[in-house]
Amino acid sequence: EDQVTQSPEALRLQEGESSSLNCSYTVSGLRGLFWYRQDPGKGPEFLFTLYSAGEEKEKERLKATLTKKESFLHITAPKPEDSATYLCAVQAGRDDKIIFGKGTRLHILP
Amino acid sequence: GAGVSQTPSNKVTEKGKYVELRCDPISGHTALYWYRQSLGQGPEFLIYFQGTGAADDSGLPNDRFFAVRPEGSVSTLKIQRTERGDSAVYLCASSPTPGGRTQYFGPGTRLTVL
Repeated sequence: EDQVTQSPEALRLQEGESSSLNCSYTVSGLRGLFWYRQDPGKGPEFLFTLYSAGEEKEKERLKATLTKKESFLHITAPKPEDSATYLCAVQAGRDDKIIFGKGTRLHILP
Repeated sequence: GAGVSQTPSNKVTEKGKYVELRCDPISGHTALYWYRQSLGQGPEFLIYFQGTGAADDSGLPNDRFFAVRPEGSVSTLKIQRTERGDSAVYLCASSPTPGGRTQYFGPGTRLTVL
């Protein structure tokens, strides 16, 4: 069964303190790995799609990387406005469904 | 431009009642997904439409749940004989490409079954 596991469940950082969020996956035939940001009371907001091991994508203070077993979302010098839940999701095999992890709740303290 | 909209934003109903949740996707988006999200969990896939047809309904939990997209645009998620365990936020997402690699989510409908 396809699975997506995110760690840690929650993370508190001081403003400017860089860190990484982990997404490990067990799927057959990865077609895409996605990162989303979700603010309280809102729907997820698309950040990145990664397709193959070794691929990297960047957006402002965020950088996503992909290996054959996991993905990392690196946050460099975060600001309080980066506080949100970050969701990882995968699409695999012949399925069109998207499987999400439970997310990492990130809180950046000013 | 206009994003994905969902109505109502909140729905409170009694156990056993029938509810309909509506999703208006971004104009021109052919792919449409429904998800259910419980507190502290990630979105759980329910059903995927490509155009008017349900391409994958493997996530619908049982036959009380049904969704339609008759004209390939607006979609309605229908839940019969609601149960307290159906309480959750129901999210809709649309995508301009088949397979939904980049999805644009609506704000969700919070369903509470008393």
